[in-house]
Amino acid sequence: DAGVTQSPTHLIKTRGQQVTLRCSPKSGHDTVSWYQQALGQGPQFIFQYYEEEERQRGNFPDRFSGHQFPNYSSELNVNALLLGDSALYLCASSLAFGLDTQYFGPGTRLTVL
Amino acid sequence: DQQVKQNSPSLSVQEGRISILNCDYTNSMFDYFLWYKKYPAEGPTFLISISSIKDKNEDGRFTVFLNKSAKHLSLHIVPSQPGDSAVYFCAASETSGSRLTFGEGTQLTVNP
Repeated sequence: DAGVTQSPTHLIKTRGQQVTLRCSPKSGHDTVSWYQQALGQGPQFIFQYYEEEERQRGNFPDRFSGHQFPNYSSELNVNALLLGDSALYLCASSLAFGLDTQYFGPGTRLTVL
Repeated sequence: DQQVKQNSPSLSVQEGRISILNCDYTNSMFDYFLWYKKYPAEGPTFLISISSIKDKNEDGRFTVFLNKSAKHLSLHIVPSQPGDSAVYFCAASETSGSRLTFGEGTQLTVNP
């Protein structure tokens, strides 16, 4: 039973560029959440997708956007990258919206130069 | 506004002894609480959770206690093992599966 997978593992971009991160949920899960973890801090909620729609959103600017596909996989897009966007981006999946524990992938380490 | 706080950045215990990690919260709407463990270069791993209708939940060596009146929860690990050395995050949500609010984490080191 495959767990949550994310790609790529590491990514280096320069300021102003755009980036797309990908996530495949745990088998059978239909809800995907994205979190940003800065160095030395706990993960911060970005948004959650269920039935291909954004259901909840944290305090992140519109430069952060996402998408969920019919197979429940998801993408996180960040436009106009800033140095402060350098972080570990974590994807979590759960079985049903509002009813199940979230399980995390290994994360994508984004470095913005 | 830090709604979930872990006031101890680090904790060191001897193998075989009890590890107690603490967490405080301010949001009265939180009704589901979780502990995650994180190793370097890995994502957080779910350990144990508790609903606000309970005050204790136990799973093997791990026990979580919830004191709603004090808005405080703790994770007890007995006995502690060197493999337990990791960063432990406390998290809370208003409903199970909803957005999680995390604390800053506590680095636990279990010495052989």
